[in-house]
Order: sequence, then C-alpha cells, then structure tokens
Amino acid sequence: DAKTTQPPSMDCAEGRAANLPCNHSTISGNEYVYWYRQIHSQGPQYIIHGLKNNETNEMASLIITEDRKSSTLILPHATLRDTAVYYCIVRVGAGGSYIPTFGRGTSLIVHP
Amino acid sequence: ETGVTQTPRHLVMGMTNKKSLKCEQHLGHNAMYWYKQSAKKPLELMFVYSLEERVENNSVPSRFSPECPNSSHLFLHLHTLQPEDSALYLCASSHPTQGALSGANVLTFGAGSRLTVL
Repeated sequence: DAKTTQPPSMDCAEGRAANLPCNHSTISGNEYVYWYRQIHSQGPQYIIHGLKNNETNEMASLIITEDRKSSTLILPHATLRDTAVYYCIVRVGAGGSYIPTFGRGTSLIVHP
Repeated sequence: ETGVTQTPRHLVMGMTNKKSLKCEQHLGHNAMYWYKQSAKKPLELMFVYSLEERVENNSVPSRFSPECPNSSHLFLHLHTLQPEDSALYLCASSHPTQGALSGANVLTFGAGSRLTVL
C-alpha cells in the first residue's frame, strides 16, 4: 500500500470548517483513499473513502486532486466532539493484499 | 456500539498469568484483525485472519497466540507477558469480498481492551 503523509497536529475553531490534508504521491491506480478517526482511547471509526471523485456523506467531504496525489478531508462545521486523531490511508479496495497500515495521523483539536 | 464487541474492556495481569482477550462480530464479515496501540505510537498490526485462516503474522512474539475458531470470533491468548506489552489491543473486522462490489473494504473496530501488565 502507498505511504501517506499528514501534518501531526491542527486546530480549528468550533463551528468552522476543518480541512485536513493528506499527501499520497505514490498512490497507484487501483488504490482507494480512506479516512478514519480515533477519539481518545476508543477504536478508530471509518469516516469516508474515495477513488478519484469527490465524495460526501453525513460526516464529511473528501476532495481528491485530479492527479490523485493528495486529498483533503473536510468537516464542514467542526464541533468539540470532532477532536480526535484523523488517519488517512490508501489501499486496494478489495481482494489481494488487504493489510491496512495506519500512520501517526493528524491530531485535530477543536476549540470553543 | 459498532457491531464488534471486545471483552474484557480492562485487564490487569501479572507477568506469569495466562489470560485471553475475546472479540466477537455479527456483521457477516469474514476477515478479522488484531492491532496493538501503545502509548503515543501508531496502531501496529499484529494478526490477520481471513476465512478463519491466518494470513498475516506481523513478527509478533510467541507470548501472543491468536485463535480464530469461526468467522465471528477471534481470541488473543496471552502468557508470560512483559510490562512493555501494556497497551490498548484493538480488534477489527471487514468483508473484503463485499468490498469488491462497493470499493469499500472498510474496517469496523471494537472499543478495545486496555491491558496492563504488572
């Protein structure tokens, strides 16, 4: 699976949009971008995934650049409960080697 | 509740004890994973089971022994652990075959078992 690079920490004011970047310049054509988050001492939670088109669900939006070498997770109206570590990983969608590897992620702190 | 249940949530054991962590899922998934998360470190993959067969053993010491009796249950047997094995142990499951249809091989994690080795 391709490697990802994320800033170690970010902060955001409550009610504002949180934009979390991820660099995955070695991504290959069949690899998806997945985002998870981990609230302190809990198991990681899936947020969203995409291949090349932008995606949106009830939790967040995912913007993938045209060359697919980077992406941005957007939390449109961050709340205090969004304070967590956010992980960006890339991996093959299904079959083959499905060994998901998590890096250090981005620690997002949402402040009042 | 995520659909993946881990027990116990907290465990304190001595170095000579034998204990087991249990993970159970009723999501219809056929792949299960054990991860270890030490303080201020990334999640480390330990074992992967697919259709009850171990497909990955990430150089884990033999004092950790996994068992997958069926696709819904996964155990991690612990014996003669060291204090540095104290960590949050996370179980996850997924359905890679279903993921082929949706493109989403999503992991569902349990809440974890917090282990302290004295």
